Amino acid sequence: KQEVTQIPAALSVPEGENLVLNCSFTDSAIYNLQWFRQDPGKGLTSLLLIQSSQREQTSGRLNASLDKSSGRSTLYIAASQPGDSATYLCAVNQAGTALIFGKGTTLSVSS
Amino acid sequence: GAGVSQSPRYKVAKRGQDVALRCDPISGHVSLFWYQQALGQGPEFLTYFQNEAQLDKSGLPSDRFFAERPEGSVSTLKIQRTQQEDSAVYLCASSFFVGDTQYFGPGTRLTVL
Repeated sequence: KQEVTQIPAALSVPEGENLVLNCSFTDSAIYNLQWFRQDPGKGLTSLLLIQSSQREQTSGRLNASLDKSSGRSTLYIAASQPGDSATYLCAVNQAGTALIFGKGTTLSVSS
Repeated sequence: GAGVSQSPRYKVAKRGQDVALRCDPISGHVSLFWYQQALGQGPEFLTYFQNEAQLDKSGLPSDRFFAERPEGSVSTLKIQRTQQEDSAVYLCASSFFVGDTQYFGPGTRLTVL
């Protein structure tokens, strides 16, 4: 059974710092991997989707990498801002349908 | 609308009541998903539709949970005889095709007293 783990569970950084969020999964036979952001009391906002054949995806200050063989993905956030404060969720899609989520990393960026 | 919408946003039910949660996916999206999110946890898959066909309902926790999408657009998640453990946020997501990016609605927060 696929399990997704996110480390750390919480992270606090000063504004301007570059940071990395980690996601690991137990079964490397995945279809794709998606990173989301969730603000308190809100739904999920899709940030990046990496297909199983890709190594990384970039959007603005965000860069996500995928190492399928080792079961790892990282989300790199450059020059963090207070508006980046949220919970970041990693989700694996194994069969092209249902997403399997980690518990998330709660990020706090102080000004 | 431009995104996935869900209604109601908040629902309080007494234990034993039936509830119905609605999801309006993005127009033209073939795939529709329901997830359940408990406090402090990641969302957990409940069920999946492709058009009007329910192709996977393996995540539904009991036979009190029922979902439908009769015309391949709007979907309703129904919970019969609600229990306290059903309290959670219910999220709906849609995608243009299977395996594509899933876009989530704001969720319905269900509280069972």
